[in-house]
Amino acid sequence: QVQLVESGGGVVQPGRSLRLSCAASGFTFSNYGMHWVRQAPGKGLEWVAVIWYDGSTKYYADSVKGRFTISRDNSKNTLFLQMNSLRAEDTAVYFCARVDSGSSLLIDYWGQGTQVTVSS
Amino acid sequence: DVVMTQSPLSLPVTLGQPASISCRSSQSLVYNDGNIYLNWFQQRPGQSPRRLIYKVSNRDSGVPDRFSGSGSGTDFTLKISRVEAGDVGVYYCMQGAHWPIGFGQGTRLEIK
Repeated sequence: QVQLVESGGGVVQPGRSLRLSCAASGFTFSNYGMHWVRQAPGKGLEWVAVIWYDGSTKYYADSVKGRFTISRDNSKNTLFLQMNSLRAEDTAVYFCARVDSGSSLLIDYWGQGTQVTVSS
Repeated sequence: DVVMTQSPLSLPVTLGQPASISCRSSQSLVYNDGNIYLNWFQQRPGQSPRRLIYKVSNRDSGVPDRFSGSGSGTDFTLKISRVEAGDVGVYYCMQGAHWPIGFGQGTRLEIK
């Protein structure tokens, strides 16, 4: 079955960096686009970034553009999110999610999430 | 950007009674290929979201037939025919027809 397992979250000071990982299994990772979506405490879902199946195309939400970088290693079935210049408002649970092929960029499966807290 | 507006934001329901959640988009979600890219997700307390309905009305495997989705263009509805205790959580619609993709604010379903 499809499994997505995020890691790399933690507590970090404002202005510092953090790198999240998402290990995928149960499907052919290199055939699917992938998203990062976040959820601030007590809030709704906010799309962060998407990467095409082959890494050729990437899009970002305006709120993270220029600070976050999405990437992937298809040989290791792993998705990444490099987060630089972190701000308090980046505090959230970060989910990786699979693009449902055949449904534009809609999501079908989600990971369990990893908590990122930006605080001094 | 396309704005997704859900209503109500809070939905208290008696066990066994029906529930209905509306999701309206600021632009039509009919894509160039004629499909409508609108999904519904359920997020139970302390869990990650789970897809219930894809492309407006298609129920995912394992989702009870008490759940149904409908709509077209800009107006969409998720219905639960008989609410059970396990349905408590927040429900989100998501559009994938326009950049940037986005979610509704969420509707919190609780048992009255």
